[in-house]
Amino acid sequence: DSGVTQTPKHLITATGQRVTLRCSPRSGDLSVYWYQQSLDQGLQFLIQYYNGEERAKGNILERFSAQQFPDLHSELNLSSLELGDSALYFCASSLWGTPMNEQFFGPGTRLTVL
Amino acid sequence: AQTVTQSQPEMSVQEAETVTLSCTYDTSESDYYLFWYKQPPSRQMILVIRQEAYKQQNATENRFSVNFQKAAKSFSLKISDSQLGDAAMYFCAYFWKGGADGLTFGKGTHLIIQP
Repeated sequence: DSGVTQTPKHLITATGQRVTLRCSPRSGDLSVYWYQQSLDQGLQFLIQYYNGEERAKGNILERFSAQQFPDLHSELNLSSLELGDSALYFCASSLWGTPMNEQFFGPGTRLTVL
Repeated sequence: AQTVTQSQPEMSVQEAETVTLSCTYDTSESDYYLFWYKQPPSRQMILVIRQEAYKQQNATENRFSVNFQKAAKSFSLKISDSQLGDAAMYFCAYFWKGGADGLTFGKGTHLIIQP
């Protein structure tokens, strides 16, 4: 158990819908990262927050957005969902704001878009 | 853009034997980190080992060691005395210290341990 929690574990929804994935980092960690793992794209970095501020942006679609709240939990919002958005979404946390520090990954949220 | 290539989609090894997983990367930068992550069937991503590009000495963590060849841009993972619990997907990852892109991952190698 990494100490990072993600809810829900599984999510099944329809095309065009909007969903919110939630992540609680390890106690004391200030940075949260979001990754998408799909069969065709592999593991891709989406976005990073550090102490409430956006720190880095990767291959995140405009239909996706994220935020980190004052209690440091983070939410990833996915809207206008398409079949290709079906994937495993990971959240990871680290103490500081650079990925050279060890990132602790959550168990992931499996999103299925039908 | 940086790329990470793992040329072995799948590897198989007998229990207690040694196996080496390959990783090459493409970058024009000199100050970066390389990682190996393990993803068992539980899907949890676990850091196995980390190497800083400026350190000449290869990193070692118990049965796991790397062979870091900076000039060749190669970063292989050696697992000694393979155990059934080592069965997993292994991902090589890169991070440039001057960048803001998070980790760049390879496609992964599926490691099978034969009892």
